[in-house]
Amino acid sequence: KQEVTQIPAALSVPEGENLVLNCSFTDSAIYNLQWFRQDPGKGLTSLLLIQSSQREQTSGRLNASLDKSSGRSTLYIAASQPGDSATYLCAVRDTDKLIFGTGTRLQVFP
Amino acid sequence: DVKVTQSSRYLVKRTGEKVFLECVQDMDHENMFWYRQDPGLGLRLIYFSYDVKMKEKGDIPEGYSVSREKKERFSLILESASTNQTSMYLCASTTSGTRYEQYFGPGTRLTVT
Repeated sequence: KQEVTQIPAALSVPEGENLVLNCSFTDSAIYNLQWFRQDPGKGLTSLLLIQSSQREQTSGRLNASLDKSSGRSTLYIAASQPGDSATYLCAVRDTDKLIFGTGTRLQVFP
Repeated sequence: DVKVTQSSRYLVKRTGEKVFLECVQDMDHENMFWYRQDPGLGLRLIYFSYDVKMKEKGDIPEGYSVSREKKERFSLILESASTNQTSMYLCASTTSGTRYEQYFGPGTRLTVT
């Protein structure tokens, strides 16, 4: 059974830092991996999607990488800002369902 | 832009009431999903549908049913609401094919008293 883990559960950093969020999965036979952002009390916003054949995807200050063989993905956030404060979730596609991690709660303070 | 809308942002119902949560997407997606999200438990899949009138049970279908009469609309039904169904309910739809990117609605915070 696929399991997705995100470490750390919470992270607090000063503004301007570059940071890395981690996502691990137990079964490397995935179709794709998606990163989401969730603000308190809101729905999830899709940030990046990496297909299983890809190694990374970039959008603005965000870069997501995928290493299927080791069962890992990282989300790199460059020059963090207070507006980046949110919970970040990763999810792997397992046939017709997504399996979610429990998220990393990020706080960026001025 | 893909848009997924949910009928209510906040809902308060009494124990035993029948509750309808509605979700509409405007991008002609085949696949639609209902999740609930609880602190410490993450997102859990209740039901999903990959076509009109088709439904599949997710991980926690007990106490819920769904209806999909039109492609753009997917309804979650709590037949007899209970306090342990107090939660954030999230609807999502997914592009078909190899990309399969999932888009979420804003969520409905349901409180059952």
